[in-house]
This record gives sequence, structure tokens and C-alpha cells, in this order.
Amino acid sequence: DVKVTQSSRYLVKRTGEKVFLECVQDMDHENMFWYRQDPGLGLRLIYFSYDVKMKEKGDIPEGYSVSREKKERFSLILESASTNQTSMYLCASSLSGSETQYFGPGTRLLVL
Amino acid sequence: QKEVEQNSGPLSVPEGAIASLNCTYSDRGSQSFFWYRQYSGKSPELIMFIYSNGDKEDGRFTAQLNKASQYVSLLIRDSQPSDSATYLCAVNNNYGQNFVFGPGTRLSVLP
Repeated sequence: DVKVTQSSRYLVKRTGEKVFLECVQDMDHENMFWYRQDPGLGLRLIYFSYDVKMKEKGDIPEGYSVSREKKERFSLILESASTNQTSMYLCASSLSGSETQYFGPGTRLLVL
Repeated sequence: QKEVEQNSGPLSVPEGAIASLNCTYSDRGSQSFFWYRQYSGKSPELIMFIYSNGDKEDGRFTAQLNKASQYVSLLIRDSQPSDSATYLCAVNNNYGQNFVFGPGTRLSVLP
């Protein structure tokens, strides 16, 4: 079974803090993704990566950056957290671009 | 125009009935179609995928694809209260590296 894990289930941070969200997958998948999900707005793609050290902007990359130093690990960084970044953050991975995406359990981030 | 559209619901059906969830997409080049179920507060989990026109059955679930009409649906037979969740349709064109997700349809199965 594919397993995607995320470093935290719940996180509370203050405005202006630097926030790291980490995602690890154990199936040697090429592709990894970061989404945020907000009520009424659905799943929105922030960034994705199709190889180590490669990254591509998704639909809403502003205020975020990512890092993929190892194939199994994909980090999302909020350089200076703001209240409008309060959301559920979901990581996913897939073998290739057209294959099924498998999701981690999600991190619910509250920025005060 | 949104790329993937779904009725937001809620769609309410009685226990034991057939629930029909619909999804339309705008990109004619789309090749892969996925249905995910998401319980409240949880992450999406894959129910099934379909690549070819026609029906694909897996237990109580049937996915139907009509590429000419740019339409994909999910039927749930003998609906159970445990099927109450939001169902997300996702579409991929095999050229891009990412999916496009619909907004989801909330299904409520009434005991």
C-alpha cells in the first residue's frame, strides 16, 4: 500500500512566522504535490514536483515555496505566515503525471 | 468556464437507493478520470479511475465515461449511510503533470 505521511496533523502559528510542512512517501513515486483545501473553493494546487530538485508552480504559489532534496520528501514552506494561509494542506504523490494521486492525512494550519 | 464542474449538492438519497454523481470537463484532450471520496476532516481517498468510454464496475460503484459528451459519472448502488461524504471528480490530460479537481458533490444517505 502507498503511504504518504505528513509531519503534523494540526499546527498553530503566529503571523510572520516561517512554517515548514513536510511530506514523505514510501513508494518511490516521481511526482509529489501540495494542495490547500478551503470550504467552497475545493482543492487548489500550490506547487508540484516531478523529480528531485525540480518544482513547478501550481495555481496559487504566491506566499509559498517548496523543496525537494530527496525523492521521497517534499516540503512546503510559508516564508512569512499570514492569516489568509489558514487552511487544510494536503500532500499527494503519484507514480507519473497521469497516474492516481495518493493523499496524506492533511495538516490543518491555523495562523493567528 | 471552470475546467471540471460538479453539482455541489447536497445530494440526499435514502438508504438502499442508487446515488448518481455527475462531472463534466472542458478539456477534450482529457484521458484519465478519477473519483475520490472525502469524509469530513479527512483526506481524499481513491474510489476508482476510468480511461475508456463506457462503464467500469467495482463492487457497488460504477464509473461511466462519455468522452464525446465530456461527461463522467459515478453510480453508487445500495447506498449506505457510510457513503455519506464529498465525492471529488479529477481529470488529467496525460500531457500535464497534475490533475484538475472538481469542487466536489456532498452526498447524504439517509437511514
